[in-house]
Amino acid sequence: GESVGLHLPTLSVQEGDNSIINCAYSNSASDYFIWYKQESGKGPQFIIDIRSNMDKRQGQRVTVLLNKTVKHLSLQIAATQPGDSAVYFCAENSGAGSYQLTFGKGTKLSVIP
Amino acid sequence: DTGVSQNPRHKITKRGQNVTFRCDPISEHNRLYWYRQTLGQGPEFLTYFQNEAQLEKSRLLSDRFSAERPKGSFSTLEIQRTEQGDSAMYLCASTDRTSGAYEQYFGPGTRLTVT
Repeated sequence: GESVGLHLPTLSVQEGDNSIINCAYSNSASDYFIWYKQESGKGPQFIIDIRSNMDKRQGQRVTVLLNKTVKHLSLQIAATQPGDSAVYFCAENSGAGSYQLTFGKGTKLSVIP
Repeated sequence: DTGVSQNPRHKITKRGQNVTFRCDPISEHNRLYWYRQTLGQGPEFLTYFQNEAQLEKSRLLSDRFSAERPKGSFSTLEIQRTEQGDSAMYLCASTDRTSGAYEQYFGPGTRLTVT
């Protein structure tokens, strides 16, 4: 079935630099997207979400961009900190009365001090 | 702590045994979800409750799996006749749909190891 995928499985960035994590989705009917951060041994932690009627949303140090034309989602983290080291997942909700989230495999972000 | 809680955090069982996990959602969240996550993968949806009604079930939820949310608050997930392939992290999440929110808040998970 259709699923969410990620372009890069691992990403290493220098502390203080900006990070960009990318995600491709294949279900054009998806109307809601979320980014989660998961640290080792913990459950996924909500970071930021975006609906399909938006193309950009900003939070604290994070920005999510949605390009529906090419079915692409990205998470930008400004001034990356060691505490940002984790696995990042994008997830989508396909709507159509379903409330389940479909997750990709994740990107591991490593911050170099 | 007002987040989603799950118990136990770890469970080791022998193949063929039954196990039951519990999830306590965030207070007043009317929607509750169960997911399964294997190493290196994203969570996979298992089932979803709105209050006490189980409204969605994944094909992953075989007949050995059963979930309940009898009073619309906590939920249990039972796996009967466990198999080694059931070894995974079982995650619970909740949402307060009445507020118009969609984001799902996850608990710490229960890690199941079937030997």
